[in-house]
Amino acid sequence: DTGVSQDPRHKITKRGQNVTFRCDPISEHNRLYWYRQTLGQGPEFLTYFQNEAQLEKSRLLSDRFSAERPKGSFSTLEIQRTEQGDSAMYLCASSVGILSSPLHFGNGTRLTVT
Amino acid sequence: DQQVKQNSPSLSVQEGRISILNCDYTNSMFDYFLWYKKYPAEGPTFLISISSIKDKNEDGRFTVFLNKSAKHLSLHIVPSQPGDSAVYFCAASSGGSNYKLTFGKGTLLTVNP
Repeated sequence: DTGVSQDPRHKITKRGQNVTFRCDPISEHNRLYWYRQTLGQGPEFLTYFQNEAQLEKSRLLSDRFSAERPKGSFSTLEIQRTEQGDSAMYLCASSVGILSSPLHFGNGTRLTVT
Repeated sequence: DQQVKQNSPSLSVQEGRISILNCDYTNSMFDYFLWYKKYPAEGPTFLISISSIKDKNEDGRFTVFLNKSAKHLSLHIVPSQPGDSAVYFCAASSGGSNYKLTFGKGTLLTVNP
C-alpha cells in the first residue's frame, strides 16, 4: 500500500495563470475525492469520482475548476484563471467502493496565488 | 452556517491521562461520524468512526461516544501519548455513505511528557 500520492506538493502561481494538480489513488480504490482546506478550517468537499464517472460536484467548484479521472485511475484538478482566494491546500482521497469505507487522504498540494 | 462544530481550538493534557475531544453537529440528517487525525505537512488520517445506530465504538485506546439527542459526539483517548499530539477533525455524513464529509475546524491536541 503506497498510499495516495499528490503532485506537486507546493505550487506558487501568479493570479490569472492556470494550474493543474495530479492525484494517484491507492491502486485498488475505485472512488476518488477532491477536498480543499483553507487556513483554520477543516477540509471541504469539492468533487467525487466512482471509476471514471464524476458523480457529484460541490457548489464550491466554480466553472474555473475542472476535474477528470480518465480510465478510472489517476485524477487531475485544473484551476483556470487563478484568483488569490484559490490559495489553499488541495487534498485528494480515495476509498474502496463499499459504504462506510474510510477515505484515505494524500498529503495535499499547497497552492499559493500571488 | 457551520454544521459540524469543534468549539475547542486546542487542548493540552499530560501523558497517561485521558484526552476528551468534543464535537457538536446541527444537521439531523447526519448518520455517520468519523474522527481524523492530522500531523503537520500530512493529510488527515482516519482514526475511528461510528454509525448513528450505535452510541459507542471502541478501537484500542480510542473510543467514540455518540449522543444523538444532544447532537454531540466525543473522542476519548486513554491513555494519552505524546505521539497523539496532532489536530483532530470531527466529520459527518448522511445517507449511509461517507464520501461527502462535512468537517469541523479541528482541535489541536498537545500531550505533554
